[in-house]
Amino acid sequence: DIQMTQSPSSLSASVGDRVTITCRASQSINNYLNWYQQKPGKAPKLLIYGASGLQTGVPSRFSGYGSGTDFTLIISSLQPEDFATYYCQQSYNTPRTFGQGTKVEVK
Amino acid sequence: QVQLQQWGAGLLKPSDTLSLTCAVYGGSFSGYYWTWIRQSPGVGLEWIGEINNSGSSNYNPSLKSRVNISVDTSKKQFSLRLSSVTAADTAVYYCARRGKTFDSGGFIEFWWFDPWGQGILVTVSS
Repeated sequence: DIQMTQSPSSLSASVGDRVTITCRASQSINNYLNWYQQKPGKAPKLLIYGASGLQTGVPSRFSGYGSGTDFTLIISSLQPEDFATYYCQQSYNTPRTFGQGTKVEVK
Repeated sequence: QVQLQQWGAGLLKPSDTLSLTCAVYGGSFSGYYWTWIRQSPGVGLEWIGEINNSGSSNYNPSLKSRVNISVDTSKKQFSLRLSSVTAADTAVYYCARRGKTFDSGGFIEFWWFDPWGQGILVTVSS
């Protein structure tokens, strides 16, 4: 199985901050990497597909970069509704695997 | 807009069989894989398996011996059965659609999960 490792596990930030979350795959996955946002008690929501493709309806302050084994999710200016947990997920092969999550908390 | 609604028993005893169903509303049922994913504090998000409208399925090898996913295209529903459950199977179970988007060149397919069902907490306890 491909292991997905996110860092940091949590971070504290303020509204307006630029937030960067990283995800590393245990082997090359080209750019078959998705990012999800999950709020407490809710299902994950797709933000980014194919490492950098913005899902329809997702604000442009979210962006994704990377290829191979190293990927980044950036929130350019954190908004109050962005405090949540973020997960990466590889779609290179089965079993599909997820990172352990990065919780973005209020500073 | 596609919506998924899921239901099933939330409290099981060890050795029981978990059974959940997910219904798809407001969109096409064909052309997609329909997926089950679970989430627990200890393991995190774990892909269980998927099925398409033709009945072609794929399972996580770690669960394959206990899992069966079936589909009822007439009702636009798909179901999960997980046998011989233990406390380790306690989790929130989600259904989701595996969709795809092509890259700008039209050759590469990017697969993703969206939308998801509301989730059901399944607890295994004696």
